[in-house]
Amino acid sequence: AQSVTQLGSHVSVSEGALVLLRCNYSSSVPPYLFWYVQYPNQGLQLLLKYTSAATLVKGINGFEAEFKKSETSFHLTKPSAHMSDAAEYFCAVGSGTASKLTFGTGTRLQVTL
Amino acid sequence: DTGVSQDPRHKITKRGQNVTFRCDPISEHNRLYWYRQTLGQGPEFLTYFQNEAQLEKSRLLSDRFSAERPKGSFSTLEIQRTEQGDSAMYLCASSLGGGRNSGNTIYFGEGSWLTVV
Repeated sequence: AQSVTQLGSHVSVSEGALVLLRCNYSSSVPPYLFWYVQYPNQGLQLLLKYTSAATLVKGINGFEAEFKKSETSFHLTKPSAHMSDAAEYFCAVGSGTASKLTFGTGTRLQVTL
Repeated sequence: DTGVSQDPRHKITKRGQNVTFRCDPISEHNRLYWYRQTLGQGPEFLTYFQNEAQLEKSRLLSDRFSAERPKGSFSTLEIQRTEQGDSAMYLCASSLGGGRNSGNTIYFGEGSWLTVV
């Protein structure tokens, strides 16, 4: 069985500040890990994914995430937040064949002036 | 743009009525997925197809729900005798399924909102 825990349902940062969204996973097989972003009333857009290559993964819009097996974590970071980053962020873990994804409950990122 | 397309985007229906959603995946993708998302929650897996074969169904998919992908292209998700608890966003997604450990990216559509009144 696989599961994802996202710590913090709401995160608020100032524009220009570091963004850190936390994700811990549980998987009985080597995981595939994903971060998706969802803007209001829209579907999910892939930010980045980890598929057992480099542990530091760079994604779109300046986001990156680091896979740490010892900590079972895949935290999402961005050095400098922008107002347009305000959205809901979901971490997900996939099975060996990526036939389905198990999502966390999401973290809503608020960016203030 | 040839992303995942869903129709209708919004549907309001009375309790007890049947509704059907359609999904058109990215054209070369052989895998198609349905997820359900309620307010404040992450998407939950419902079912997936590889070509026309339905390979897995979640226990969330009660007998009132049926999904089809008859020609391995578009898919429909029908909900019979709708209940207020069915109100949610139904997300369709697709991917190019490869061998084991492929880690293929799953691309999502914009979703179909269902409100049961």
